[in-house]
Amino acid sequence: EPEVTQTPSHQVTQMGQEVILRCVPISNHLYFYWYRQILGQKVEFLVSFYNNEISEKSEIFDDQFSVERPDGSNFTLKIRSTKLEDSAMYFCASSVSEFYGELAGVEQFFGPGTRLTVL
Amino acid sequence: DQQVKQNSPSLSVQEGRISILNCDYTNSMFDYFLWYKKYPAEGPTFLISISSIKDKNEDGRFTVFLNKSAKHLSLHIVPSQPGDSAVYFCAASAEGGSEKLVFGKGTKLTVNP
Repeated sequence: EPEVTQTPSHQVTQMGQEVILRCVPISNHLYFYWYRQILGQKVEFLVSFYNNEISEKSEIFDDQFSVERPDGSNFTLKIRSTKLEDSAMYFCASSVSEFYGELAGVEQFFGPGTRLTVL
Repeated sequence: DQQVKQNSPSLSVQEGRISILNCDYTNSMFDYFLWYKKYPAEGPTFLISISSIKDKNEDGRFTVFLNKSAKHLSLHIVPSQPGDSAVYFCAASAEGGSEKLVFGKGTKLTVNP
């Protein structure tokens, strides 16, 4: 069964450093997303990406964040200058996102996550 | 800003009995609702969904009920199994589901043998 994959599983970095989190979405999916979950808190939306551009972003997704689909398979999240409060699990998700009315098609499928620790 | 609320942080049931997980929402623009299951150190796994034009959707042991007038949905698991022990997240989306998912805080379900 196709699945979303993410690398690395755990990233430790120093405050102020740049990190790139990588994701390979499910191959026939059209929409791509990044979410994060700070320990003990709810899963929060960061950004959605469609047709090679950002379709929506949250207020968390400030100028320090960027996303890119550098080729036909990878989807990356870059944090330019990490802060302590960026420490979280980052989840990539993808969906077909063609709404079929009553039928399925819009579910977002999540990867296993990257645990980012900023020291 | 809690648009999706899961008011029970935990639930414990006996194996074989029914588990009922509840979720309330405030945003009337939401038209698609999903339940995800999450084990520690893993990503959320999609379980079942329902669009706002329906009031029930069933998939095996899992049934989701939607009460639009009350802005309430619930997930029923029958019969509950120890392997169902996980954190269950309710999520909602507007405009057909291509929009972001808004998650509740989750309910930790423990199914005791």
